[in-house]
Amino acid sequence: KAGVTQTPRYLIKTRGQQVTLSCSPISGHRSVSWYQQTPGQGLQFLFEYFSETQRNKGNFPGRFSGRQFSNSRSEMNVSTLELGDSALYLCASSPGIFADTQYFGPGTRLTVL
Amino acid sequence: GIQVEQSPPDLILQEGANSTLRCNFSDSVNNLQWFHQNPWGQLINLFYIPSGTKQNGRLSATTVATERYSLLYISSSQTTDSGVYFCAVLHAGGTSYGKLTFGQGTILTVHP
Repeated sequence: KAGVTQTPRYLIKTRGQQVTLSCSPISGHRSVSWYQQTPGQGLQFLFEYFSETQRNKGNFPGRFSGRQFSNSRSEMNVSTLELGDSALYLCASSPGIFADTQYFGPGTRLTVL
Repeated sequence: GIQVEQSPPDLILQEGANSTLRCNFSDSVNNLQWFHQNPWGQLINLFYIPSGTKQNGRLSATTVATERYSLLYISSSQTTDSGVYFCAVLHAGGTSYGKLTFGQGTILTVHP
């Protein structure tokens, strides 16, 4: 079975721009979670989608949004980028039962200049 | 929310040595996972272990849920074991769908 894939792997943007990141879960998995990793804050939960519905959201400003499509692929969007948004963005997929194992993708490294 | 603390923050070993990494959490959990983050940033699953003991080759893990801690054992360490090890938990009850809370990690360096 193919693993979780994320595109693009690397991205450079400037302040004020917006960005869209994509995540394709493992086949058959219906839950996708997103995380941000920075040196200062560590790994922090952004949001989780299951069957196209956001079930949970972390403590991030409204500039961070996401969605999930009927094929379980998910996208996250960050609008009006700030320097502090530079981070590794990781997505994870799981079958969707509450306490499943989460499997992570390789991440998208975003640099905001 | 739930707090997760890992110790030690840094660990330096010679190849062949054994080590124990600890993860303490502040409340009941439904899921606990151990990960190894490779140099390119990907989180590699080591164990899914909300309770009990599991072994996989040179690695083993034990979670004592009633005492709110988990241990990761690495035996006969190799240089390829170097990297950051994370413990992550899913808080029991409430609205914790898909939300793993991570510890700050243990940076392991294994010298040849």
